[in-house]
Amino acid sequence: QVQLQESGPGLVKPSETLSLTCTVSGGSISSDSWGWIRQPPGKGLEWIGYIHYSGSTNYNPSLKSRVTISEDTFKKHFSLKLSSVTAADTAVYYCARDPGIAVAGTSYGAFDIWGQGTMVTVSS
Amino acid sequence: DIQMTQSPSSLSASVGDRVTITCRTSQSISSYLNWYQHKPGKAPKLLIYAASSLQSGVPSRFSGSGSGTDFTLTISSLQPEDFATYYCQQSYINPTFGQGTKVEIK
Repeated sequence: QVQLQESGPGLVKPSETLSLTCTVSGGSISSDSWGWIRQPPGKGLEWIGYIHYSGSTNYNPSLKSRVTISEDTFKKHFSLKLSSVTAADTAVYYCARDPGIAVAGTSYGAFDIWGQGTMVTVSS
Repeated sequence: DIQMTQSPSSLSASVGDRVTITCRTSQSISSYLNWYQHKPGKAPKLLIYAASSLQSGVPSRFSGSGSGTDFTLTISSLQPEDFATYYCQQSYINPTFGQGTKVEIK
């Protein structure tokens, strides 16, 4: 079955760019939407954005100016870049699949498969 | 942004109890509401999508209801493996999550 695995540096300096990759195994990113969600320590979940298999993207308005999500269909991974990071960006970062589940002819978004998450700390 | 208000923020319950968690949205979202279970150090798990549809492999003691702005997740008989934090999430536009409900052992 489809599995996701996040990878990237666990420590990023303030003002630098956080870069993470999500590798998809057991399936293809040539369908569905693929997203990033984060959880700061002691807080709840926050959606960062996603990329549709067509290449179109949608970002959280509060992060939009700093976020870029891209995909490499051939290499079966998609990536997150978050620029100008501060301590507030310290979090566990998850990648997830949103297949758009059909119910009675309507497509409903839901994150049905998640990676295990990777902790990223922003500190000098 | 659509605001999510989840309640309670935490609860204590015993094995076998019936547990109800509510989620209210700041505007109508039809049935674009999902529920997740999250345990420390693990990936969140989708339980319910489209407000009331049970995700494949999820035990039938979990159920969801509601539409518009008011939604409910019910666990009919709490099991030891159900102690976790539960989140609602709207997928109507620009996904947002509730603040979570931590279910603890009484």
